[in-house]
Amino acid sequence: GAGVSQSPSNKVTEKGKDVELRCDPISGHTALYWYRQSLGQGLEFLIYFQGNSAPDKSGLPSDRFSAERTGGSVSTLTIQRTQQEDSAVYLCASSLLVGNTGELFFGEGSRLTVL
Amino acid sequence: QQQVKQSPQSLIVQKGGISIINCAYENTAFDYFPWYQQFPGKGPALLIAIRPDVSEKKEGRFTISFNKSAKQFSLHIMDSQPGDSATYFCAATGRSNYQLIWGAGTKLIIKP
Repeated sequence: GAGVSQSPSNKVTEKGKDVELRCDPISGHTALYWYRQSLGQGLEFLIYFQGNSAPDKSGLPSDRFSAERTGGSVSTLTIQRTQQEDSAVYLCASSLLVGNTGELFFGEGSRLTVL
Repeated sequence: QQQVKQSPQSLIVQKGGISIINCAYENTAFDYFPWYQQFPGKGPALLIAIRPDVSEKKEGRFTISFNKSAKQFSLHIMDSQPGDSATYFCAATGRSNYQLIWGAGTKLIIKP
C-alpha cells in the first residue's frame, strides 16, 4: 500500500481480554515505531524496531505489553489482560532512514476501548 | 534535559490571522526540529522541519523560526484558514538518535 496501514481501526474489548494490533509499514521502511495517544493528549513512545529487532522497549508500560516484527515488515502489538487504562489510540509509524533525518509516516491508528 | 516544552496548549485565531506556537528545549545536542500536524481521526503528518544552521524556514504559509541561543523554535501560520484547525506537535532529536522527543501538542482552532 501507499501508506502505513493499521488494523483494526477500532477495537472494543472487555477488561481482562487480550488484544492484538497490527501495523503494515511502508514497503522498504526499516524503522518502525509504536506510540500511544490518549484522548486529547500527546504521543507516548512505546517501542522502536530496527528491522526485526527492538533496541528500545523502554516505553512499554508494563509486562502486559509486547510487540514483535517479522520479515522486517509487519508488526504486532499485543496487550494481555487489558485494563481500562489501556484505552487509547495506538499509532504506528515507519521511517525509511535510521536517525534524525527520517520523516515518520504514521498510520491512522487503532482505537482501543476497554470496557 | 530530554523534554520539549510546547505552548500554548490550545489556541483560537480568527481566519486570516497569524497563529504562533512555541517550543523550547534543553538538550543542546538536538539538531533536527520537525513540526507535525494531526487532524482528528488521523495520524500526525510532517508539516515542516528545520536544522539549527538556519534561523528561519518558510514553506507556503508556514514558517519555522529558530533561536539557537535561546533554545527555542516556533511555528508561524500566516493567513490562518479554517482548514488549518488541527493539533500541532513540535519535536526534536539529536544526531544518530532514532527517537523524536515530542512536545505535548497545541490544539489550534481557526474561527471563520
